Amino acid sequence: QLLMQESGPGLVKPSGTLSLTCTVFSGSITSSSYSWGWIRQPPGKGLEWIGSIYYTGSMYYNPSLKSRVTISVDTSKNQFSLKLTSVTAADTAMYFCTRLHCSSPSCQSSYFFGMDVWGQGTTVTVSS
Amino acid sequence: EIVMTQSPATLSVSPGERATLSCRTSQSISSNLAWYQQKPGQAPRLLIYGSSIRATGIPARFSGSGSGTEFTLTISSLQSEDFAVYYCQQYDYWPLYTFGQGTKLEIK
Repeated sequence: QLLMQESGPGLVKPSGTLSLTCTVFSGSITSSSYSWGWIRQPPGKGLEWIGSIYYTGSMYYNPSLKSRVTISVDTSKNQFSLKLTSVTAADTAMYFCTRLHCSSPSCQSSYFFGMDVWGQGTTVTVSS
Repeated sequence: EIVMTQSPATLSVSPGERATLSCRTSQSISSNLAWYQQKPGQAPRLLIYGSSIRATGIPARFSGSGSGTEFTLTISSLQSEDFAVYYCQQYDYWPLYTFGQGTKLEIK
């Protein structure tokens, strides 16, 4: 059974960069049927899509975050990572990594079959 | 941007009864809608995609329906483990996936 685990600092200073890594266990990040994504959830609030990446490096981002977000993949370590720059208190949230089951690297419309595996999440607080 | 509206915000139902949750979108998304269940302190869990296709391992008491702008998640006979928050998600307007604000299903 594939497992995913987020790791990274739990506290980031305002205007700094949030960096998280997701490690994939018991499965390959180079599988052609999946992309890999990030979702966040502010305390007591709903879910927000951040972006995703295919193992070849094709990246897709939420337009509202695109100027601050970079998602990258390291196939040798079976990991993918999130960087979010110029953070503010509004970026305080639980951050989840997730697997997107897709029949196309772009995961759009009818090529998408759901986010079927999730990490447990990691809390990131932006505060001085 | 597509606006997702879930109703009601909170639904109180007794165990063994049927629960019906609604999700409405501001623009047509065909059948490109998924449902997730989230329990406190846990990650979301995929229930339904393609509006009506159950994900692997999801019990048959969960069913989804709808297309266009109106969607429904029905839980036919509520079990104790079903009390949670439920989110709908559209994936028609890629690369911006959007979620509803959630419906909290609580024990009556």
